[in-house]
Amino acid sequence: DAGVIQSPRHEVTEMGQEVTLRCKPISGHNSLFWYRQTMMRGLELLIYFNNNVPIDDSGMPEDRFSAKMPNASFSTLKIQPSEPRDSAVYFCASSRRTLLARGPNWRFFGPGTRLTVL
Amino acid sequence: QKEVEQNSGPLSVPEGAIASLNCTYSDRGSQSFFWYRQYSGKSPELIMSIYSNGDKEDGRFTAQLNKASQYVSLLIRDSQPSDSATYLCAVATGNQFYFGTGTSLTVIP
Repeated sequence: DAGVIQSPRHEVTEMGQEVTLRCKPISGHNSLFWYRQTMMRGLELLIYFNNNVPIDDSGMPEDRFSAKMPNASFSTLKIQPSEPRDSAVYFCASSRRTLLARGPNWRFFGPGTRLTVL
Repeated sequence: QKEVEQNSGPLSVPEGAIASLNCTYSDRGSQSFFWYRQYSGKSPELIMSIYSNGDKEDGRFTAQLNKASQYVSLLIRDSQPSDSATYLCAVATGNQFYFGTGTSLTVIP
């Protein structure tokens, strides 16, 4: 299994530009998560999808952020316009959600995209 | 109050010693508990999961859970320099999944 795939791995852009991050979850996983990690705030959940449907986007910081999951094997996180405070590592993670509270619902993380907004 | 609390460290132990990492959580209804290891510049990697009170051992790693005290810990025996990383505690309650801010561990050769 290739694991969670993210692209690009690094992105440097100027303030005001549109940034699109991409993710391919592990095949067979039905939940997908976008996280942002900074030194100050740690790992923050931005949004998660279950069966391609957004379930909770309360972590999305502003309207400048949007996420889509058009099918089970692809998701995007878009920032438009980008700002320097958006600089962080963005992780995509996937899991195989079960109906049981206990179960293999742990998150598998992709390698992350390191975003720098100048 | 944060859902998951960890001491940010840094925690330093000599090679061969036992490293003890601690985590507390606020929701008594939490049912699944995880430890992730994150090397600098890398993504979090799941190393342990525990669901029931008591100890769970996997090689040099032991996870301990005490639901009455809302406390979960990770012990690393015979610590190696390669164990130097940030360890994230994660707690799942229903559909919610919370990460702590992580504890930085350095194993000194």
